[in-house]
Amino acid sequence: AQRVTQPEKLLSVFKGAPVELKCNYSYSGSPELFWYVQYSRQRLQLLLRHISRESIKGFTADLNKGETSFHLKKPFAQEEDSAMYYCASRDGGATNKLIFGTGTLLAVQP
Amino acid sequence: GAVVSQHPSRVICKSGTSVKIECRSLDFQATTMFWYRQFPKQSLMLMATSNEGSKATYEQGVEKDKFLINHASLTLSTLTVTSAHPEDSSFYICSAPRTDTQYFGPGTRLTVL
Repeated sequence: AQRVTQPEKLLSVFKGAPVELKCNYSYSGSPELFWYVQYSRQRLQLLLRHISRESIKGFTADLNKGETSFHLKKPFAQEEDSAMYYCASRDGGATNKLIFGTGTLLAVQP
Repeated sequence: GAVVSQHPSRVICKSGTSVKIECRSLDFQATTMFWYRQFPKQSLMLMATSNEGSKATYEQGVEKDKFLINHASLTLSTLTVTSAHPEDSSFYICSAPRTDTQYFGPGTRLTVL
């Protein structure tokens, strides 16, 4: 079964510091991985996906199949980045369902 | 972007009663919708996949008689918590896929007294 692991419940950094939110996955096939973000009092929304290889709000994530990781990185954290971040894997079959990690709360201190 | 709404945003009910939560895709059609449950400070747990025109697919450990799902149209799925008990109190979130992206509703806070 698919599993997504986010080892850190809380990550606290100062403004301007680099950020890395860890995500590891277990999946026997070709994974489709995503990062979702939930800002305070807002709904969950897509931040980025590995297949598009894009940078959103300064965040990037590279799929490392050797390490089965999909860590989220940003070189200089901003206070407005404070939010809950969820790594997710999509079922490779026809169901389209997402399996979420436990989430990491990023707190950026001024 | 695509919008998914949920109604009500919060509901308080007595133990033993049933509660219906609606999930609507406002500007797109969705043959599939998903229902999640989120406990405080925990992740989203997928409960079931709602399929338009057919039975829902439940995840292991989710009681289908307890959580009734109906996908009545291409824009509406409902989750009914039957004979609710305090342990059913939680945050229920739905999502609907459009192309390759899942769009999430704002969630419904259910409190069972």
